This record gives sequence, structure tokens and C-alpha cells, in this order.
Amino acid sequence: GNSVTQMEGPVTLSEEAFLTINCTYTATGYPSLFWYVQYPGEGLQLLLKATKADDKGSNKGFEATYRKETTSFHLEKGSVQVSDSAVYFCALSSAQGAQKLVFGQGTRLTINP
Amino acid sequence: GAVVSQHPSRVICKSGTSVKIECRSLDFQATTMFWYRQFPKQSLMLMATSNEGSKATYEQGVEKDKFLINHASLTLSTLTVTSAHPEDSSFYICSASRQGVNNEQFFGPGTRLTVL
Repeated sequence: GNSVTQMEGPVTLSEEAFLTINCTYTATGYPSLFWYVQYPGEGLQLLLKATKADDKGSNKGFEATYRKETTSFHLEKGSVQVSDSAVYFCALSSAQGAQKLVFGQGTRLTINP
Repeated sequence: GAVVSQHPSRVICKSGTSVKIECRSLDFQATTMFWYRQFPKQSLMLMATSNEGSKATYEQGVEKDKFLINHASLTLSTLTVTSAHPEDSSFYICSASRQGVNNEQFFGPGTRLTVL
């Protein structure tokens, strides 16, 4: 079945550091890939997405590229801020069940000033 | 826009009682709503998918008689945990999607259930 594996946390960085959170997936066909962010006390919010191979999703300085050859969708940001502290979830939806999301286990990110 | 609320945000109940959690789409009509369960430090697990006016579709391993889902209107879905036990303690999250927006799901803030 479909599955998502992401980098275990927690991850702690200093402000302005470079961020990478790894995400790999297993799926049949051509899934869509997502990164969601959950700020403290809030619901999950869509951060970015990519729907086909080589697409790059970007938002708020975050980027992730859909790599079919390595089945990966790593999240990156060049210079993190304290306000980026949150839990990040990688997810996929299969082409067949377009609305069903399969999530990774989440990575807690803490940015220190 | 696309705000989803849940009520209550946290609930504590005694073993054997039933608990109802509401999920509302505040500013859009949700044709489909989803219920997830999240264990500490683990991922969200989809429990069921419900479409307005029809029976929910449950994921494998989820007891439909224990987790009753009602999606009676385009803005409200409820999850009732019947005869709750301590092992049902968890964080329950709903999401809602609307037609014509690439099926994007909008998530509620979650409900923390503790069964004593």
C-alpha cells in the first residue's frame, strides 16, 4: 500500500540556518505530494504541493521538488525563522483515491533565536 | 476563507460513556469530510470519509459501530465515540473539502479526548 516516511524529529536549529526535512514515499501510479504544517494549537495547513514528477512546490520560502526517480519530496528552506517552529507533515494522495491523504509521522521543528 | 472548526477542543469523560465531536465548515460547503486519529508523536490515521447525506466509508480496522459518523448537512459532520474506553483516548482531527478546489482538505484544530 501507499506509505510516507519522513525524517524523525525533533529538529532544532538556530535562526537563519538552512533546513532540510527528508520525505520519501511508496505508492503505485503517480501520486500527488504535499507538505502540511501544524502550528501550536492550530489545525494542519497546506504549505505546498506538487502533482507530477519534477514539479516544485513553493510557499513562504519553503520548497520541495517531486523526484520520481528517488521517490522523494524533501522540504527545504534557505533561512529559517523562529516563526517557522511547528510540526511538518509530508503526505501523498494517490491518483486513484484523489481525496485520501496518507501522512508521514510528522517532524517537530524548533527554531531558536 | 476555508475555516474548519471543531467542538469541543478537549473533553474528559468516564469509561462507558459516549462522546460527540462536531466538525463545522464555517465559510464554505463541504461535500466531503474526513475524520482522522492522531496518537502521540505519530502520524494522522484516516478513520473514515463521509459525504453529505450518505453513509460514511470506514477504513479497514475502524469499528463503525464504535465510531459513529453523521454528515447531515454540507457544513456539519459529527463523530460519536460510543461506550468510550481509555484506549480511545486520542487526538481526533477532522477535515473538509469542497468541489472545485482541487480537492484540497481544510483541517480543523482537533479535539483531545481523554477517557478515564
